[in-house]
Amino acid sequence: GAGVSQSPSNKVTEKGKDVELRCDPISGHTALYWYRQSLGQGLEFLIYFQGNSAPDKSGLPSDRFSAERTGGSVSTLTIQRTQQEDSAVYLCASSLVRVGTGISRNYEQYFGPGTRLTVT
Amino acid sequence: AQSVSQHNHHVILSEAASLELGCNYSYGGTVNLFWYVQYPGQHLQLLLKYFSGDPLVKGIKGFEAEFIKSKFSFNLRKPSVQWSDTAEYFCAVLRRAAGNKLTFGGGTRVLVKP
Repeated sequence: GAGVSQSPSNKVTEKGKDVELRCDPISGHTALYWYRQSLGQGLEFLIYFQGNSAPDKSGLPSDRFSAERTGGSVSTLTIQRTQQEDSAVYLCASSLVRVGTGISRNYEQYFGPGTRLTVT
Repeated sequence: AQSVSQHNHHVILSEAASLELGCNYSYGGTVNLFWYVQYPGQHLQLLLKYFSGDPLVKGIKGFEAEFIKSKFSFNLRKPSVQWSDTAEYFCAVLRRAAGNKLTFGGGTRVLVKP
């Protein structure tokens, strides 16, 4: 594809509701990342997928946050019981990561336009 | 303590002035280094990257950065800025030992006056 796409571009939800954010990575990119950009915290890592598995979930702020990736392509970030502090821009990025025996080679990450989430 | 530090939060300068943005990180070991730019209303774009080799790297739009391993620094430079360089600039570090996630600095907002 031409680039990383995310939907929706904007989401306004009421406190306590669940939301799903979608990311379509660049075709052929094996790795997918979710980050969050907020005024107080800057740009923070949330979770990383290599293929359909998530070897690093260390950035997820609470168990209300989860993500999945299917078919090695599209990913969905789900936030349950949203809180006002969840308001932020959620960014998705993708990259090539070639994993060999004992080594991996990282390539640059390309970012999507983000989903601006506002919790009222 | 912040692991990736950008020294200036805001920079204001005139067109044709030179720009240098500082970035320091506090990790040891092998790192990959990046500068991303976010123009108003647009998404993050890669300006340049350092993986290995020549520590002076050139990126798009006339930007360059120098990796100084002994100083844990990766400063961004442009000899002569244009109004269109008004944006927020982010330094980012990828540590091989910590997987593939990027750790970002706090960003520097640059305003170029015409």
